[in-house]
Amino acid sequence: DTGVSQNPRHKITKRGQNVTFRCDPISEHNRLYWYRQTLGQGPEFLTYFQNEAQLEKSRLLSDRFSAERPKGSFSTLEIQRTEQGDSAMYLCASSLEFTGSSYNEQFFGPGTRLTVL
Amino acid sequence: GESVGLHLPTLSVQEGDNSIINCAYSNSASDYFIWYKQESGKGPQFIIDIRSNMDKRQGQRVTVLLNKTVKHLSLQIAATQPGDSAVYFCAEIPNQAGTALIFGKGTTLSVSS
Repeated sequence: DTGVSQNPRHKITKRGQNVTFRCDPISEHNRLYWYRQTLGQGPEFLTYFQNEAQLEKSRLLSDRFSAERPKGSFSTLEIQRTEQGDSAMYLCASSLEFTGSSYNEQFFGPGTRLTVL
Repeated sequence: GESVGLHLPTLSVQEGDNSIINCAYSNSASDYFIWYKQESGKGPQFIIDIRSNMDKRQGQRVTVLLNKTVKHLSLQIAATQPGDSAVYFCAEIPNQAGTALIFGKGTTLSVSS
C-alpha cells in the first residue's frame, strides 16, 4: 500500500497522559499536514511541514501540542497532558509542493482516533 | 434529481437519481476549491477541484459549479449509486501558498436502492 499511513489507528488514554501519533506520507511528497476532526465536523488544519521545516501552525495548536518531521519523511504529533477536549480524529495528509498552476491533491491517511477519559 | 438550495446536513436520494450538494465558502480571495468524500472510518478522499478563474468543471459522473458572485459551490453527482453514500465536504485554499485546506460543513448523502 503506497498511501498515507497512520499509527496507531485508535488510542484511549487517561486525562493528563501524553500521547504520540505517527504519520508516514506518500514517499515522494515533500508536504505533510496535520488536521483534527471532531464528530460531525470537517477537518481543521493544525500544522504543515515542507520537508523537515514546520512552516505554518494554526492557533488551534496549543503549547501542549508539538509536531516534528526530523528527516523530512515521517512525522509525529505529540499531545502532552491530554484533556478530554482533545478527543478527536487526528488526520495526516501529504502532497507535492504547491506550484500555483494547479492544485496538488492532499492525500489523507485513515486517521488516529483519540479518546481521552 | 434531488437538490438543495441551501446547505443541509443530510440528503437522501434514490439510486439512479442525480444529487446536488451545495456549499457556501467564506473567502473571496480563495484560489482553489475542492470537494472531498469521507466514508465512515476513513480519511477524506479527493473528488474534484476547481480554480477560481473557472465556473464549471466536469469529472467522471461529477460536476462542480462555482459562483463567485454569491460565494457558492456545488457538486452534482449523476446517476447516484449506493457506493456514493458518504459525507461530502467542500474545502477552499485561502492563500496563494496553497497550504491549509479550510473545510466547510459536511453533507451526509444517503443513497437507497
